[in-house]
Amino acid sequence: EVQLVESGGGLVQPGGSLRLSCAASGFTFTDYWMTWVRQAPGRGLEWVANITPDGSGKYYLDSVKGRFTISRDNAENSLFLQMNSLRDEDTALYYCVRHPPWRFDPWGQGTQVTVSA
Amino acid sequence: QSALTQPPSASGSPGQSVTISCTGTNSDVGGYNYVSWYQQHPGKAPKLIIYEVTKRPSGVPDRFSGSKSGNTASLTVSGLQAEDEADYYCSSYAGTPYVFGTGTKVTVL
Repeated sequence: EVQLVESGGGLVQPGGSLRLSCAASGFTFTDYWMTWVRQAPGRGLEWVANITPDGSGKYYLDSVKGRFTISRDNAENSLFLQMNSLRDEDTALYYCVRHPPWRFDPWGQGTQVTVSA
Repeated sequence: QSALTQPPSASGSPGQSVTISCTGTNSDVGGYNYVSWYQQHPGKAPKLIIYEVTKRPSGVPDRFSGSKSGNTASLTVSGLQAEDEADYYCSSYAGTPYVFGTGTKVTVL
């Protein structure tokens, strides 16, 4: 069974940093792109970033470029999102998602990030 | 990277059909056959129900179907059931990024 388990969320002040992690199991991690998608409270889904299977290609939402960094450790079947210079508008549930060609499947249960003074 | 436009809500009685639209531009929906749809129940993670406009993952009932015309994609749920009450989101490849729709809440009356 494919499993994606996120961790690392929490409460942080504006301007602060957090590092999200996602532990993947049940599939060959190195065969897949991986993605982070977020959902602000009561709002819709927003694609944040994705990464190629070997980690050489990384793509970002314009509003997080220069502040967020996606990475992966293929030896540990893990995906990461380093988030710096956090803003109020980054408050959301962050999902780790496997990214077969042209779709997102499956999704983890998410980790909550709250940016507030 | 503007969100795709979906109606905020849709509804139907059990057994009826409901169709949700997803409108984008030539740079996303209209430019690629890479539209996918996700179902999200309250407090749960989204679940893929349609990909590449019309394809259904294994395990998804054939009551769910997708189509596309120009810059607008559509999801049809036929034979509505109580468990179909959920939020539905479309998504499209848009070059380097992906873009999601604004979401539609489907109510089964």
